[in-house]
Amino acid sequence: AQSVTQLDSHVSVSEGTPVLLRCNYSSSYSPSLFWYVQHPNKGLQLLLKYTSAATLVKGINGFEAEFKKSETSFHLTKPSAHMSDAAEYFCVVGHSGAGSYQLTFGKGTKLSVIP
Amino acid sequence: EPEVTQTPSHQVTQMGQEVILRCVPISNHLYFYWYRQILGQKVEFLVSFYNNEISEKSEIFDDQFSVERPDGSNFTLKIRSTKLEDSAMYFCASSGTGGGNQPQHFGDGTRLSIL
Repeated sequence: AQSVTQLDSHVSVSEGTPVLLRCNYSSSYSPSLFWYVQHPNKGLQLLLKYTSAATLVKGINGFEAEFKKSETSFHLTKPSAHMSDAAEYFCVVGHSGAGSYQLTFGKGTKLSVIP
Repeated sequence: EPEVTQTPSHQVTQMGQEVILRCVPISNHLYFYWYRQILGQKVEFLVSFYNNEISEKSEIFDDQFSVERPDGSNFTLKIRSTKLEDSAMYFCASSGTGGGNQPQHFGDGTRLSIL
């Protein structure tokens, strides 16, 4: 079975400081991992994905994530937070089901950016 | 960039009534999905659809739910007799393939409120 644990429900950073959103996963197979972002009243936008290529994955808007198999982690980072980064972030593990590909979501981490 | 579009953005319905949520997936995508997010909870998989039939469904997707692709562009979710607990944000997603290499693209969601 697959599962995702986002270790913080809420993270608050000052503008210009680094962002770290933590995610641990559990998967029976080599996982595909994703980070999605949801701005208020908007849909889920893909930030980045890991599908067994390079362990350091670069995404949009300066975000990146590192896949660490030994730690079963896929933490999301950004060197310098911007006000527009304030949103909810979801760590997601993908897996093939009986006849399709399913996504299992973490509970989400709400990122607040203080000016 | 092509988008998944969902209508309406907000639907208010009396308990016991039928509701149809509509989605237009990205035009060359072949796999379609519905997810649900109850307020304050995780995004949950409901159903996947490929080649004009359901590929997989979750325990949530009981007999009151159905999906249909009535024409070449629309993908609908019908809830036959709505309950209060069906109040949630419903997301449609589509992908070009069934694996992780082509991520699922999400619409902005329909907020369903059952009175």
